[in-house]
Amino acid sequence: GAVVSQHPSRVICKSGTSVKIECRSLDFQATTMFWYRQFPKQSLMLMATSNEGSKATYEQGVEKDKFLINHASLTLSTLTVTSAHPEDSSFYICSARWLAGGLPYNEQFFGPGTRLTVL
Amino acid sequence: GENVEQHPSTLSVQEGDSAVIKCTYSDSASNYFPWYKQELGKRPQLIIDIRSNVGEKKDQRIAVTLNKTAKHFSLHITETQPEDSAVYFCAASRRTGGGNKLTFGTGTQLKVEL
Repeated sequence: GAVVSQHPSRVICKSGTSVKIECRSLDFQATTMFWYRQFPKQSLMLMATSNEGSKATYEQGVEKDKFLINHASLTLSTLTVTSAHPEDSSFYICSARWLAGGLPYNEQFFGPGTRLTVL
Repeated sequence: GENVEQHPSTLSVQEGDSAVIKCTYSDSASNYFPWYKQELGKRPQLIIDIRSNVGEKKDQRIAVTLNKTAKHFSLHITETQPEDSAVYFCAASRRTGGGNKLTFGTGTQLKVEL
């Protein structure tokens, strides 16, 4: 159980275009999803926290108008990189968490990641 | 906010030896400390975690210790094998408040040599 999928796994796009990445919890309802960015040989940096039915909370320094997050259902969150530029090229990973006993369950289940390359 | 430091950044051991990775955290309210293993281009995989009401936890060759007073926790891998080679990340979060966000350490590249 606790499987999280991401689509697409790889995407190459031209500078100035927008790219949408989907994150799905396949066998549980994810009350909260998180979006991370990871540059080569670096750690995971949290970009935003997405709660179902409400606006995402962005980390300091992350442009909310550039990285649009939608969490329309308990099993799907999307990240749209708008007007992508080469510096947005990175590995984007989502994770999902459920409620247990009315409280957020600590463990986060990670998706397989999306490799974005902007030419 | 939380700040997690991790050492060493690289670690090379001989097969069969033990490996120890250490992390410190800054937020005394943090109470959940997972460790992840990440292979190149893959998702982080949870290998072990510990909550603040426990000082040590073991799962076969892997153990984690937590010192709440000193605010540090460590990952111990015994009898290392080549397939243990990967990047390991520690993380910290608190159950309530702070959005329950995970703050990751900078990672340790572990190489197990034959």
